[in-house]
Amino acid sequence: GQQVMQIPQYQHVQEGEDFTTYCNSSTTLSNIQWYKQRPGGHPVFLIQLVKSGEVKKQKRLTFQFGEAKKNSSLHITATQTTDVGTYFCAGRRSNDYKLSFGAGTTVTVRA
Amino acid sequence: NAGVTQTPKFRVLKTGQSMTLLCAQDMNHEYMYWYRQDPGMGLRLIHYSVGEGTTAKGEVPDGYNVSRLKKQNFLLGLESAAPSQTSVYFCASSLQGVEAFFGQGTRLTVV
Repeated sequence: GQQVMQIPQYQHVQEGEDFTTYCNSSTTLSNIQWYKQRPGGHPVFLIQLVKSGEVKKQKRLTFQFGEAKKNSSLHITATQTTDVGTYFCAGRRSNDYKLSFGAGTTVTVRA
Repeated sequence: NAGVTQTPKFRVLKTGQSMTLLCAQDMNHEYMYWYRQDPGMGLRLIHYSVGEGTTAKGEVPDGYNVSRLKKQNFLLGLESAAPSQTSVYFCASSLQGVEAFFGQGTRLTVV
């Protein structure tokens, strides 16, 4: 089965509101990556987190890697219609070449 | 710069037929992956390769075979297609497991 779990599966957001999606692993990860897939498109890399407790920002997106390197979150502020899509986290364990994806959080935005 | 190219983009197969999906990348990446995407299941890893001549099983390898005879190409084969293999297939490549670049996807329907 998948090594990373994502919640929620769906997120319906009013334009202008904030939301957070979470990613959890049962095992320690060497790094975690986040991807965005627009409807009908393919996943596109957003960011990679490597260090325990790491926080990175990209404009309105804030990514965090947990202290134990088993969980991560993506927080989007002031949601816009351009944020529509599915956000995936993907984790790798140490000495493991596999890149395993979570099931994704599909975001819809109400104008 | 083409990036990752998948062939074909669409295909309809009858149960029991065979086919090969081709993935080609021009970025000199060592790592290549095949995923399938089904509604609510996210991206599930079928097989992957960490270099020319090497392949390994992912999370859902049954019913599929792969080959990596050349560094730039990663082939996914279905020997006897089944309706359960109806899915969207994505190929991806990466440099040592960091940012993964995805192809446009192949939509396969098995009837």
